[in-house]
Amino acid sequence: GDSVTQMEGPVTLSEEAFLTINCTYTATGYPSLFWYVQYPGEGLQLLLKATKADDKGSNKGFEATYRKETTSFHLEKGSVQVSDSAVYFCALKASFGNEKLTFGTGTRLTIIP
Amino acid sequence: EAGVAQSPRYKIIEKRQSVAFWCNPISGHATLYWYQQILGQGPKLLIQFQNNGVVDDSQLPKDRFSAERLKGVDSTLKIQPAKLEDSAVYLCASSLRGAQTNEKLFFGSGTQLSVL
Repeated sequence: GDSVTQMEGPVTLSEEAFLTINCTYTATGYPSLFWYVQYPGEGLQLLLKATKADDKGSNKGFEATYRKETTSFHLEKGSVQVSDSAVYFCALKASFGNEKLTFGTGTRLTIIP
Repeated sequence: EAGVAQSPRYKIIEKRQSVAFWCNPISGHATLYWYQQILGQGPKLLIQFQNNGVVDDSQLPKDRFSAERLKGVDSTLKIQPAKLEDSAVYLCASSLRGAQTNEKLFFGSGTQLSVL
């Protein structure tokens, strides 16, 4: 079945550091890929998405590129801020069938000033 | 626009007791989802409704979990009887149609359940 594998956390970085959170997936067909973020005390919210190979999703300085050849969707940000501290979830939605959203285990990111 | 509303925010019960969670999705959203998020894991889909019909309940432990969405709007999720391993955050989400591959889900803040 479909699955998502994220890099293990937690991740702690200093402010203005470069961020990469790895995500790889297993799915049949051509799924859509998502990054969701969960800030402390809040619900999950969509950060960015990509719907086909080579698409780049971007939002709030974060980017991720849909790489079909490596089945990856790594999240990157050039200069992180304290306000980026949150849990980040990679997810996919299959291109056929029930199209349910399948999540990775999440990566907790802490940015220190 | 109002978001997905869930209640209660927290619930503590003893094992073998019953508990119910409530969700009111964004107005006009046809699809409603219940997810279970165990500490340290990603959310896992329990049940998906399209209007008031069940689309997917393959991962719902039907011997103890039940859910309904009678009028195609708000929904309740019940656990009876609860087990220790049911301790988790229960997330409700909704989407406009649910059938589109790239459609985003809107999540509520969740109900944190502790079973003692």
